[in-house]
Amino acid sequence: NAGVTQTPKFRVLKTGQSMTLLCAQDMNHEYMYWYRQDPGMGLRLIHYSVGEGTTAKGEVPDGYNVSRLKKQNFLLGLESAAPSQTSVYFCASSPSGGRSPYEQYFGPGTRLTVT
Amino acid sequence: GENVEQHPSTLSVQEGDSAVIKCTYSDSASNYFPWYKQELGKRPQLIIDIRSNVGEKKDQRIAVTLNKTAKHFSLHITETQPEDSAVYFCAASYYGNNRLAFGKGNQVVVIP
Repeated sequence: NAGVTQTPKFRVLKTGQSMTLLCAQDMNHEYMYWYRQDPGMGLRLIHYSVGEGTTAKGEVPDGYNVSRLKKQNFLLGLESAAPSQTSVYFCASSPSGGRSPYEQYFGPGTRLTVT
Repeated sequence: GENVEQHPSTLSVQEGDSAVIKCTYSDSASNYFPWYKQELGKRPQLIIDIRSNVGEKKDQRIAVTLNKTAKHFSLHITETQPEDSAVYFCAASYYGNNRLAFGKGNQVVVIP
């Protein structure tokens, strides 16, 4: 199993450009999450999904959109990138139910720089 | 919503000594408390978790204790080794909630 994968690993954007980050998981997990990590700020939840076709806002959703058309994929979009969106983005997935229903499995991260 | 705070922000310990990181939480409904470890440039990974029906859980050199009355829980690392150097995140949630509230993280530096 590859677990949780993210593409791309690195990206540099100019202000105003758009891009999509792809997260894929092969563990048949119901829940998927997008976080951003900034120095001293910990992990902040952007958006999440509790199943195929569903999405919900997290703690810092402004400037981002998401889609979960397939269970294994969770896409994060930036329509008009801003320097404040320079960050490391982590995707995570989690099973529903079971012994550890809340363990989240993280992807390797995407480092995004907006100039 | 749940608010999780971690103290201290940075902790330096001599190799072989113990390290303790404490987290406080605000929501008395929280009943699940995991700890994640993130090495430099790597992804966060779960190292131990505890549920509110137990007060302490151990796994080799790491242990977590929970005090529900005071709303705090702590990570204990004994006999620290250089590979324990990392950022540690605590989190909290409650049964039926599929989100975790993370603390801001603690940098642990083990000095050889």
